[in-house]
Amino acid sequence: DTAVSQTPKYLVTQMGNDKSIKCEQNLGHDTMYWYKQDSKKFLKIMFSYNNKELIINETVPNRFSPKSPDKAHLNLHINSLELGDSAVYFCASSLRQSREAFFGQGTRLTVV
Amino acid sequence: AQTVTQSQPEMSVQEAETVTLSCTYDTSESDYYLFWYKQPPSRQMILVIRQEAYKQQNATENRFSVNFQKAAKSFSLKISDSQLGDAAMYFCAYRTNRDDKIIFGKGTRLHILP
Repeated sequence: DTAVSQTPKYLVTQMGNDKSIKCEQNLGHDTMYWYKQDSKKFLKIMFSYNNKELIINETVPNRFSPKSPDKAHLNLHINSLELGDSAVYFCASSLRQSREAFFGQGTRLTVV
Repeated sequence: AQTVTQSQPEMSVQEAETVTLSCTYDTSESDYYLFWYKQPPSRQMILVIRQEAYKQQNATENRFSVNFQKAAKSFSLKISDSQLGDAAMYFCAYRTNRDDKIIFGKGTRLHILP
C-alpha cells in the first residue's frame, strides 16, 4: 500500500563506484522528482520528470542520471561516486500543477 | 528568484502549549501553493497542511493551523496543544502553478519539552 517507495533505504559504498536508487509510485501521479537532503537538512530539487520527460535539471553533475521507464518509476543512477555525494535522496511524486508532493522514505547514501 | 525563509533554526515548547513557526517567501507570482511538511527522526516527509494562495481563509488541520498573510508574504504554522510526537523538523515550502518544483526553506527543528 506504500504510495511512494524507494529502494534501498540505506546504501554504503566506496568512492568511485556506480550505484542506483529505484523509485516507484502507485498514486497515478504524472510528475516525479528527486530531491537531495544534505547533512544540514537542506532539501534541494535535483530533477523533475513529467510523463517520462525531463522537465527540471537543477545543475546537477553529469554523474547523476535519472531514468524514467514509465510514469510510475523514476530511478537515479550515480556514476563515480564521491564523498560529497553522501546525503539522503528523496523521491517524490505529484500531479503536475496540482498542489503537494508525496515523498518516499528516503535513501541514505554514504560514500566511504 | 523564488525563495523560502525560515528564520528560526530551532524552537522549544512545553508539552500542551502552543507554538508558532515562522516562514516568509519571495515571489512575483500571484497563483501558488504553500505547504508545511514535517520530518520526524524516521526521516519520512509528511505533509502537515497546505494553503492555496487564492484562498483568503487560513487552512486548519486539527491542532495545526496557518496564518497566511499574502501581502506580507508570510505563512506561519501554529501548533496547539503540543504533543511529544510533534517533535520534528518542520519545512515550509512553496510551489507555483507554472512550475513543477517545490522549493523548501531550511527548516525549523522543534523540540517538545515534557
